[in-house]
Amino acid sequence: GENVEQHPSTLSVQEGDSAVIKCTYSDSASNYFPWYKQELGKRPQLIIDIRSNVGEKKDQRIAVTLNKTAKHFSLHITETQPEDSAVYFCAAGLFSGGYNKLIFGAGTRLAVHP
Amino acid sequence: GAVVSQHPSWVICKSGTSVKIECRSLDFQATTMFWYRQFPKQSLMLMATSNEGSKATYEQGVEKDKFLINHASLTLSTLTVTSAHPEDSSFYICSARDLTYEQYFGPGTRLTVT
Repeated sequence: GENVEQHPSTLSVQEGDSAVIKCTYSDSASNYFPWYKQELGKRPQLIIDIRSNVGEKKDQRIAVTLNKTAKHFSLHITETQPEDSAVYFCAAGLFSGGYNKLIFGAGTRLAVHP
Repeated sequence: GAVVSQHPSWVICKSGTSVKIECRSLDFQATTMFWYRQFPKQSLMLMATSNEGSKATYEQGVEKDKFLINHASLTLSTLTVTSAHPEDSSFYICSARDLTYEQYFGPGTRLTVT
C-alpha cells in the first residue's frame, strides 16, 4: 500500500521568510497530491492540490511542485505570516473510478514568528 | 464550499458502552465517505472507506466488528464504536467526497472513554 513520509516535523520561520515542506510517496500509481492545513482543534482544510499530469501549481503565496520520477512533492509558502502557523499535512492517493482514498503524511508543525 | 457536519462534537462514555457518531454532507451528495482517527499531535489515520449502499472497506488493523460503519444514504454515514474502552479515546474525523477529487472534512468528534 501507499506510504507517505513528510519532513520536517517542525518548522520555525520568521515572518516574511519562506517555508518548504517535503513529502515522498511510495506508490508510483498515486495520481493526486493534496495539502491540508489544520489549526488547533479544527478540521483539516485543503489549501492546494496537484495531479500527476502537472509539475507545478501556484495559488498566491502557496505553490506545490511534483516530481513523479523521484516520487516526491513539496509545499512552498512565501512571505509567511503569523496566521500561516498551523499543522500542514501532505497526502497521496490513487483516484481511479470510485477508488480514491488518501494516505496522509505525519504532519509538519509550522510556527511563524512576528 | 461543500460542508460536512459531525455529531456529536464531543462525547464522554463509560467503558463497555457503545457510541454512535454521525457524519453528514449538508449541501452535496457524497458517494464516498471516509473515517479517520487522530491522536493528539499526530496524523490522520484512515480507518475505513464507506460507499453508499455497500459495506465499508476497512484498513488493515482496524477491527470491523468494533468500529461499525453504515452509509445508508448519500448524505449520511455513521460510525459506531462498540464496547468502548479507554484506548478508543481519540479524535474521530469523517470526510466526504463529491464528484471531484477533493475530500471535505467534518469538524471531528472527541471521544473520551472513562
